[in-house]
Amino acid sequence: DTEVTQTPKHLVMGMTNKKSLKCEQHMGHRAMYWYKQKAKKPPELMFVYSYEKLSINESVPSRFSPECPNSSLLNLHLHALQPEDSALYLCASSQDFGLYGYTFGSGTRLTVV
Amino acid sequence: TQLLEQSPQFLSIQEGENLTVYCNSSSVFSSLQWYRQEPGEGPVLLVTVVTGGEVKKLKRLTFQFGDARKDSSLHITAAQPGDTGLYLCAAKTSYDKVIFGPGTSLSVIP
Repeated sequence: DTEVTQTPKHLVMGMTNKKSLKCEQHMGHRAMYWYKQKAKKPPELMFVYSYEKLSINESVPSRFSPECPNSSLLNLHLHALQPEDSALYLCASSQDFGLYGYTFGSGTRLTVV
Repeated sequence: TQLLEQSPQFLSIQEGENLTVYCNSSSVFSSLQWYRQEPGEGPVLLVTVVTGGEVKKLKRLTFQFGDARKDSSLHITAAQPGDTGLYLCAAKTSYDKVIFGPGTSLSVIP
């Protein structure tokens, strides 16, 4: 299995809703990442998990809460989001902490209404 | 602050033409990666270059890493409509971070 699987593919949520994005990989990669991407822009790093522990938080607002239940799973819990949070949310994993590149999932297209 | 710059930002060419995309920085990197991304999908890794002066070929795509490991280029020969997409260069910094360039949006017209 050489894929990163993200669910759901599309999500529409209200500003008072609570939802979660899920990411799964079975490649044995020990680093997992959340990125946010706006249209026509490059991905922006949000969080890095290394050996299931949060190692980097790029000053992300607390309405985004990451969780790594085990080495294969990564969640992003969403609460009280704003319309400007609408974006493509990408999960990635890496065997070598990015030295030889990432494997990205296909993303979750999030729309906040 | 380590930054990557890409040029051109946009490129629209006819099928069969050749093109080169550049990725530049003032910083030295241990590795540099190229990705292609299609709308609504995640980036797909094309290649990683590690050694200064390294050249890698992937079918019609040729990637080069500068001798000083600060810059890279992607050359596409005889572009096809299937090459259309956003081309991103990326580099690993310290602290487990990978930074991305702003991207080059390529459109190949049949």
